[in-house]
Amino acid sequence: DTGVSQDPRHKITKRGQNVTFRCDPISEHNRLYWYRQTLGQGPEFLTYFQNEAQLEKSRLLSDRFSAERPKGSFSTLEIQRTEQGDSAMYLCASSHPEAANYGYTFGSGTRLTVV
Amino acid sequence: KNEVEQSPQNLTAQEGEFITINCSYSVGISALHWLQQHPGGGIVSLFMLSSGKKKHGRLIATINIQEKHSSLHITASHPRDSAVYICAVQRGATNKLIFGTGTLLAVQP
Repeated sequence: DTGVSQDPRHKITKRGQNVTFRCDPISEHNRLYWYRQTLGQGPEFLTYFQNEAQLEKSRLLSDRFSAERPKGSFSTLEIQRTEQGDSAMYLCASSHPEAANYGYTFGSGTRLTVV
Repeated sequence: KNEVEQSPQNLTAQEGEFITINCSYSVGISALHWLQQHPGGGIVSLFMLSSGKKKHGRLIATINIQEKHSSLHITASHPRDSAVYICAVQRGATNKLIFGTGTLLAVQP
């Protein structure tokens, strides 16, 4: 494992289109998080998976957003009918089961631009 | 009021200076993280601490749980330390992070 991988690194899409991002966490990490970061701000929590179960979703995650982690490994984040306000950096992070003793590992993020 | 406040928002230092970035929070936490973010987005974890003090190379992080305050110190700063430094608190059963807005550090040669 070389860390948390996110794909694509950059995505430019037209308003109204659907986009999907992928995150591959570190293999032994059962905890997976999605965050969103807009320019000049700190990241904001979107959703959390423990294995394949989505255990928490932020109010920021409108009904246009859906996230999955079907086999408890990689995760996808889909945004339907994109809006200009969705333009942001989408960050994925994972952590070890013994989270109290281990920090987070972040991916490099997917930068979304909606035009 | 944000749950996590950092100061200063921007900091310019001369190479070799001792730097301190402060973080205050207003919620119960299980741990506090200091993170580094370079232009382009990648975030690197520097420290995770729940009490006391940790040191790694020229970086030192301290936390005072009673006062809900943490500091990140950089000794003998170098231009390569230039980055955004972010404080984040870990809370809840999911251990999700709540982030400060970051401190943009520029170290000039």
